[in-house]
Amino acid sequence: KAGVTQTPRYLIKTRGQQVTLSCSPISGHRSVSWYQQTPGQGLQFLFEYFSETQRNKGNFPGRFSGRQFSNSRSEMNVSTLELGDSALYLCASMDAGLTDTQYFGPGTRLTVL
Amino acid sequence: GESVGLHLPTLSVQEGDNSIINCAYSNSASDYFIWYKQESGKGPQFIIDIRSNMDKRQGQRVTVLLNKTVKHLSLQIAATQPGDSAVYFCACPCPGGGADGLTFGKGTHLIIQP
Repeated sequence: KAGVTQTPRYLIKTRGQQVTLSCSPISGHRSVSWYQQTPGQGLQFLFEYFSETQRNKGNFPGRFSGRQFSNSRSEMNVSTLELGDSALYLCASMDAGLTDTQYFGPGTRLTVL
Repeated sequence: GESVGLHLPTLSVQEGDNSIINCAYSNSASDYFIWYKQESGKGPQFIIDIRSNMDKRQGQRVTVLLNKTVKHLSLQIAATQPGDSAVYFCACPCPGGGADGLTFGKGTHLIIQP
């Protein structure tokens, strides 16, 4: 099976702009989670989508949002970008419940100037 | 506060030696733990997991030990190779971790010396 894919791999934006990142999960996986990774805060959970519904949400402001499509592909959007949003954004997919293994994609490196 | 954390930010070992990376967790209700390996420029890669009804689980060259009494788990890598050089994270869907996804420790950077 193909792994989790994320596009684009690299992105440069300026403050105030908005950005959309895409994730395609492993075939058959219905759950997609998003994480932000920074040197200072490490890996932090953003949200999880399952069957097109947001099932869980981390402690991030409303500027961070996401959605999932009927084919389980997911997008996350960050509006009004801030310098502190520069990070590696990782997507992970899993088959069903939270105690199943999450498999990560390579990430999208976002730089906000 | 943090629900799972690693003891050392960096661990340096000689090639061929065994490596042990430690992790502690705070909530005794945590019942599932995962170890991930992250190489430079890549996403975290699943290594091995363990559920709380087990004390030990072995994979290929890796062993995870879980001590529920002291809320501690460790990842042992046998005969460390240059390709093992990476940052290792322990993670759990920790109850009360502040979010409902996986909670990750800060990571231990494993450095392999020739």
